[in-house]
Amino acid sequence: GENVEQHPSTLSVQEGDSAVIKCTYSDSASNYFPWYKQELGKRPQLIIDIRSNVGEKKDQRIAVTLNKTAKHFSLHITETQPEDSAVYFCAADNTDKLIFGTGTRLQVFP
Amino acid sequence: GAVVSQHPSWVICKSGTSVKIECRSLDFQATTMFWYRQFPKQSLMLMATSNEGSKATYEQGVEKDKFLINHASLTLSTLTVTSAHPEDSSFYICSVPGLASAEQYFGPGTRLTVT
Repeated sequence: GENVEQHPSTLSVQEGDSAVIKCTYSDSASNYFPWYKQELGKRPQLIIDIRSNVGEKKDQRIAVTLNKTAKHFSLHITETQPEDSAVYFCAADNTDKLIFGTGTRLQVFP
Repeated sequence: GAVVSQHPSWVICKSGTSVKIECRSLDFQATTMFWYRQFPKQSLMLMATSNEGSKATYEQGVEKDKFLINHASLTLSTLTVTSAHPEDSSFYICSVPGLASAEQYFGPGTRLTVT
């Protein structure tokens, strides 16, 4: 079955800097790769996703890149703000189920 | 995306009792819903897939007799934690598939504390 690894587990950046979170997956049949942001005690919120027919997708300060050959995808946040502080999870689909990475705790210091 | 609600948002129960958690899809019908469990500072782990009108599909290692799932309508799935123990204390989150393949939208979660 699918296995998703996520790095780093924690990431601290200064406000205005960029943050990059990386994930790798094992099942080449996976086609859907969402990223979720979860604040403490709240539900995961979908922030961006990408499908295997696309190499990159951007939405304002957030971008995701996908390398299907290497089986890895990354989340890029530019011009970080304190409100970006949260736990971020990547995921990969596996027959319509989602397998989640272990999460990255992002802290943005003002 | 889909609008999903859960009830209750938090519950405290005594060891040995049962607790029912509801998950509702508010804006469209869902033949499938997913139940996850999230321990503090950990990731979301899929427990089971709830199927409307048929039995739920449980992930490996999840006791189906302990975590009873009922999906009686296209807008409601329930998870009952039977004979709860302190180790069952966790954040339980349901999700509903979106219109696009594999897309999921999450409910607000239910924090269960077993004393």
